[in-house]
Amino acid sequence: QVQLQESGPGLVKPSGTLSLTCAVSGGSISSSNWWSWIRQPPGKGLEWIGEIYHSGSTNYNPSLKSRVTISVDKSKNQFSLKLSSVTAADTAVYYCARVVGGSGSDPWGQGTLVTVSS
Amino acid sequence: DIQMTQSPSTLSASVGDRVTITCRASQSISSWLAWYQQKPGKAPKLLIYKASSLESGVPSRFSGSGSGTEFTLTISSLQPDDFATYYCQQYNSYYITFGQGTRLEIK
Repeated sequence: QVQLQESGPGLVKPSGTLSLTCAVSGGSISSSNWWSWIRQPPGKGLEWIGEIYHSGSTNYNPSLKSRVTISVDKSKNQFSLKLSSVTAADTAVYYCARVVGGSGSDPWGQGTLVTVSS
Repeated sequence: DIQMTQSPSTLSASVGDRVTITCRASQSISSWLAWYQQKPGKAPKLLIYKASSLESGVPSRFSGSGSGTEFTLTISSLQPDDFATYYCQQYNSYYITFGQGTRLEIK
């Protein structure tokens, strides 16, 4: 079955750029699904960041849109997140997930904690 | 933006109880609603999609209902494994939003 795995630095300096990758295994990123990023600050709820289709089409959370870029690399069967100008408020567990058309998000990656600190 | 409001924020219940969690949307989302269960340190798990469709492998004690702006998640007979935080999610619009979560704790 499809599995997702996030990877990237666990510590990012303020004003820097957070970069994460989600590797997809057990299935093709070129299937008829969207692929999304969601985050969860420590002790808080879930916040949707954005999503991408294998064609490169994207949708972003309006509150983050000016700082977010999501891209796809079909050759590596993975997609990526870049969040620029980070602050401590961007400290969170970042999840990637497959969006199954009309059926919610499943599966999710295990999540990766990114801390913004100097 | 479509705002999702869950109630209650915290729910205390006992094993065997029937519990209901409500999720209200700020505008109609038809049936484009999902429910997730999250345990500490784990990723959310999809329980219900399209408001009332049970995800494969999810126990039948979980059920969802509603359409438009008001939705419910019901657990018919609480089991020890069900104590967790539950989130609703709307995917009617290109901007997906979650409810703030309902923490289900042991009474």
